[in-house]
Amino acid sequence: GAGVSQSPSNKVTEKGKDVELRCDPISGHTALYWYRQSLGQGLEFLIYFQGNSAPDKSGLPSDRFSAERTGGSVSTLTIQRTQQEDSAVYLCASSLRAQGRNTEAFFGQGTRLTVV
Amino acid sequence: QQPVQSPQAVILREGEDAVINCSSSKALYSVHWYRQKHGEAPVFLMILLKGGEQKGHDKISASFNEKKQQSSLYLTASQLSYSGTYFCGTEIWSVGAAGNKLTFGGGTRVLVKP
Repeated sequence: GAGVSQSPSNKVTEKGKDVELRCDPISGHTALYWYRQSLGQGLEFLIYFQGNSAPDKSGLPSDRFSAERTGGSVSTLTIQRTQQEDSAVYLCASSLRAQGRNTEAFFGQGTRLTVV
Repeated sequence: QQPVQSPQAVILREGEDAVINCSSSKALYSVHWYRQKHGEAPVFLMILLKGGEQKGHDKISASFNEKKQQSSLYLTASQLSYSGTYFCGTEIWSVGAAGNKLTFGGGTRVLVKP
């Protein structure tokens, strides 16, 4: 596609429910990131996928959070038993890898998650 | 470990200059700079690689001091369009086989007034 696509753009869920957030990266981009951004705050790293390598999950805040990337393309971030503190904008980004480094990251428009 | 940015916020008059700093406690492979306008996704400005190079984007430039693990973003003759939140992203070695990952600082809010 032309850019990174995320869905849904907005999600309101009840506390305790599970949610799935989807990210379609730019075709051919091997690197895929998930970040969380609370209102007025910075970009909190969650997880990083690079090609077929084992992902770096070091940023996931609890075992309620998980993510997978199928076929080296689409990624799904799952939050189980959502809590109010999970409310934030979840941003996905993708990039190419060249000469051992990741090139510029392209961000999707994010999914605004509200837990009520 | 995420990089540390300073200042947290800056207010400028149109035409004034500003410097935003970014530092890391880890050895860096590269530094990225992005700008995010309210309600929008972050947009890439530039990448600086090891070697202390300086890059520019319009009247926005940056430097990377590899020895100090620091980068600075220079806003010169600021324009109203420069308003937004600036994030530095640092590429550091990542756990596991995935290689380098990109982590961001807390951001610097820039407001340029007429």
